[in-house]
Amino acid sequence: EDQVTQSPEALRLQEGESSSLNCSYTVSGLRGLFWYRQDPGKGPEFLFTLYSAGEEKEKERLKATLTKKESFLHITAPKPEDSATYLCAVQAWDSGYALNFGKGTSLLVTP
Amino acid sequence: EAGVTQSPTHLIKTRGQQATLRCSPISGHTSVYWYQQALGLGLQFLLWYDEGEERNRGNFPPRFSGRQFPNYSSELNVNALELEDSALYLCASSFAGEQFFGPGTRLTVL
Repeated sequence: EDQVTQSPEALRLQEGESSSLNCSYTVSGLRGLFWYRQDPGKGPEFLFTLYSAGEEKEKERLKATLTKKESFLHITAPKPEDSATYLCAVQAWDSGYALNFGKGTSLLVTP
Repeated sequence: EAGVTQSPTHLIKTRGQQATLRCSPISGHTSVYWYQQALGLGLQFLLWYDEGEERNRGNFPPRFSGRQFPNYSSELNVNALELEDSALYLCASSFAGEQFFGPGTRLTVL
């Protein structure tokens, strides 16, 4: 059975304090790994898709990386507006296009 | 470009009633996905529709059903509502690859 585990569950950072969020996964055959950002009471906002080990993608202060067992979302010099829940999801070849989500990491960045 | 839209924003029902939730995908997207986000459980896949057909469903009972219309909009129906159906219901659309989510419908079952 496919599993997605995100850690830590919650993270509090000072503005400018860089850190990484982890997404560990087990899947029969990975089609893609997705990162989303979700603000309270809103729908997830797409950030990145990674398809193969070694792939990296960047967007502003965020950088996502992928290995065969896990993905990291690196946040460089975060700002308070980066506060949100970050969700990781995997898409397996044998599950059609359904996304299997982790429970997320709740990030709070304080000034 | 308009994003995925969902209606209503909030829906309050009592146990045993039926709920109907609606979703309009991004223009040009042919696939619609439904997810349930209940407190403490994370997002769980419900249903996938593509070109008017149900392609896949998650581990939910048959009282969760839906359909996709010729204009690719979609409807999620939940029959015989139970208290534990209270959740944020999210719709996503895609053409190929990435799924883009709407703002969700908050369903409360009393």
